[in-house]
Amino acid sequence: GEDVEQSLFLSVREGDSSVINCTYTDSSSTYLYWYKQEPGAGLQLLTYIFSNMDMKQDQRLTVLLNKKDKHLSLRIADTQTGDSAIYFCAEKAGNTGKLIFGQGTTLQVKP
Amino acid sequence: GAVVSQHPSRVICKSGTSVKIECRSLDFQATTMFWYRQFPKKSLMLMATSNEGSKATYEQGVEKDKFLINHASLTLSTLTVTSAHPEDSSFYICSARDLAGSYEQYFGPGTRLTVT
Repeated sequence: GEDVEQSLFLSVREGDSSVINCTYTDSSSTYLYWYKQEPGAGLQLLTYIFSNMDMKQDQRLTVLLNKKDKHLSLRIADTQTGDSAIYFCAEKAGNTGKLIFGQGTTLQVKP
Repeated sequence: GAVVSQHPSRVICKSGTSVKIECRSLDFQATTMFWYRQFPKKSLMLMATSNEGSKATYEQGVEKDKFLINHASLTLSTLTVTSAHPEDSSFYICSARDLAGSYEQYFGPGTRLTVT
């Protein structure tokens, strides 16, 4: 079946780098995503990576994909207090096209 | 970018009443819309997928008679929670996809439903 796992909490100091990890089980996933959710709000797509890519960088965000290990990570450089939120990893299931979400990682950024 | 709105953003209703939540794509035509439910500090659970002009496809364990979904136009989908009970209290989020097979879903801001 399809399953996505994330650690639940990460705390960093402002200015440090944050790395949020995710594992998934569906080897036929086509796209993998990172979403950000601020309190009481919907989901904002931060970035995505196609399954045949290893890395994607977009300003402060770097996504690494290890397809062999089915491991995805999101690195946020120079983390700011405004980055405090819940970050969801999601995969687009290859057979159904549905998005399967992880439990979300709460990122706490301390000043 | 593409914008999806939801209305209302927050609703409180009495047990036994029905509540309708609207999801609109504001600047694109959504061939497919999705409805999710999110419990506090939990992930999003897909409830159903709706395609314009056809019946919604419900996920296993979601009661279709309780959660009525209508996708009458390419810019509007509605979710009606019928005979709501306190256990239906949750954060409901919709998303929309503009093209079949498109990589991206655009999410609405969510609706907080509280049933008293």
